[in-house]
Amino acid sequence: GQNIDQPTEMTATEGAIVQINCTYQTSGFNGLFWYQQHAGEAPTFLSYNVLDGLEEKGRFSSFLSRSKGYSYLLLKELQMKDSASYLCAAMDSNYQLIWGAGTKLIIKP
Amino acid sequence: ETGVTQTPRHLVMGMTNKKSLKCEQHLGHNAMYWYKQSAKKPLELMFVYNFKEQTENNSVPSRFSPECPNSSHLFLHLHTLQPEDSALYLCASSQDGTASGANVLTFGAGSRLTVL
Repeated sequence: GQNIDQPTEMTATEGAIVQINCTYQTSGFNGLFWYQQHAGEAPTFLSYNVLDGLEEKGRFSSFLSRSKGYSYLLLKELQMKDSASYLCAAMDSNYQLIWGAGTKLIIKP
Repeated sequence: ETGVTQTPRHLVMGMTNKKSLKCEQHLGHNAMYWYKQSAKKPLELMFVYNFKEQTENNSVPSRFSPECPNSSHLFLHLHTLQPEDSALYLCASSQDGTASGANVLTFGAGSRLTVL
């Protein structure tokens, strides 16, 4: 079956760095997405990786290893506003998105 | 604002009621989606419309009935729901629904449904 695993909850300190991991098992692969969802708000697109390696966008970076079925989202210089849920989703060979249950990130002062 | 607007934001209904959720997008997208989001569970895709044609129905019970009158509007008609249908219902849109790895979804803020 197809599956995405990511931690349910993580806690980090303001100003620090946090890495949110995601492992996936899909029938074929056409890329991996990360979305951010603040409580009571819409999920918003953060990143898309289809090739191996690290993609950096300001304080946020996303990494992909297709051979390991593994991705991570790296958040640097954490701010209180980064408290949110982070959703990982892999696209299978039929271009269907397989979603993880999300990781709730709590930032403490 | 994401450009995808959902109304109402909150809805409480009894099991015998009939209600509708509305979604409107101002992005010029051609594909629209309904997702169900339950606490601590992955997003569940319910329906997909591409250029007003329904292309996905993921074994959703008939008590949920979608309607897409044009590319900008999407409805989810609800009747005789069950308490387990209580969830956040998210609408999303994308440029189109064709097979593309870079088909980024833009979501609305959701309609929080409670079935009593």
